[in-house]
Amino acid sequence: AQSVAQPEDQVNVAEGNPLTVKCTYSVSGNPYLFWYVQYPNRGLQFLLKYITGDNLVKGSYGFEAEFNKSQTSFHLKKPSALVSDSALYFCAVRDDSSASKIIFGSGTRLSIRP
Amino acid sequence: IAGITQAPTSQILAAGRRMTLRCTQDMRHNAMYWYRQDLGLGLRLIHYSNTAGTTGKGEVPDGYSVSRANTDDFPLTLASAVPSQTSVYFCASRGSGSTGELFFGEGSRLTVL
Repeated sequence: AQSVAQPEDQVNVAEGNPLTVKCTYSVSGNPYLFWYVQYPNRGLQFLLKYITGDNLVKGSYGFEAEFNKSQTSFHLKKPSALVSDSALYFCAVRDDSSASKIIFGSGTRLSIRP
Repeated sequence: IAGITQAPTSQILAAGRRMTLRCTQDMRHNAMYWYRQDLGLGLRLIHYSNTAGTTGKGEVPDGYSVSRANTDDFPLTLASAVPSQTSVYFCASRGSGSTGELFFGEGSRLTVL
C-alpha cells in the first residue's frame, strides 16, 4: 500500500529566504507525486506534479519540487519566500500499479514572517 | 463557473441521524473522491469512484457509503452518524488522463453531537 510522510508539522521561514517542505513516500510501483496548497477555509489547490522525466518540476507561484528516487523524496522548494506563501501544504502520491487511490500526507503549515 | 459544488457548507447533526453530503461536478471527470480532513491527520480517503457505476473503498470507509449513478454526482452518506465523524469533508474529481491532478470542492464542515 502506498503512504506519504511529511515529517514537519510546521516550517517557519523569513520572507526572502529559500524554503523547503519535506515529503517522503512509499509505493510498490512507479509513483505519481503531487503538491497541493490549502488556504484557510478553502479546498486544496494543485501546485505541481511529477509523473516522469526531469527530476526538477516547476509549478505555480514560483514553487518547484525535486524528485529523488533513491531517497523516495519529493521536497517542495521556493528560492525566495513571500508572506503570501503562508498556508497549509500537502504532498500526495498515487501508485501507477494500483487503482485510483491518491493518498495524502498529514500536511505542513508554512509560516513566512515579514 | 466550472468546478465542484458541495452541499451543505456546514451542518450540525445529532448522533444516530442519517446524513448525505452532496457533491456535483460539471467538468465531466470520470474519477471522483471523498476525503475527510482532521487536524494532524491530513486528508484521508474515504471512498472513490473511477467511473459512473463503480465505487471503491479508501483508507477509512467504515460508517460511510457512496453511490455513483451518473458522471456528475457523487453523494456521501453517513447512515448513523457518530461524534468521531465530526470533520471537514472534501469532494474531488480527477482531471483528464490517469495522471491528472485533483480538483477540490470547498468542503462541508460536519459536527456530530
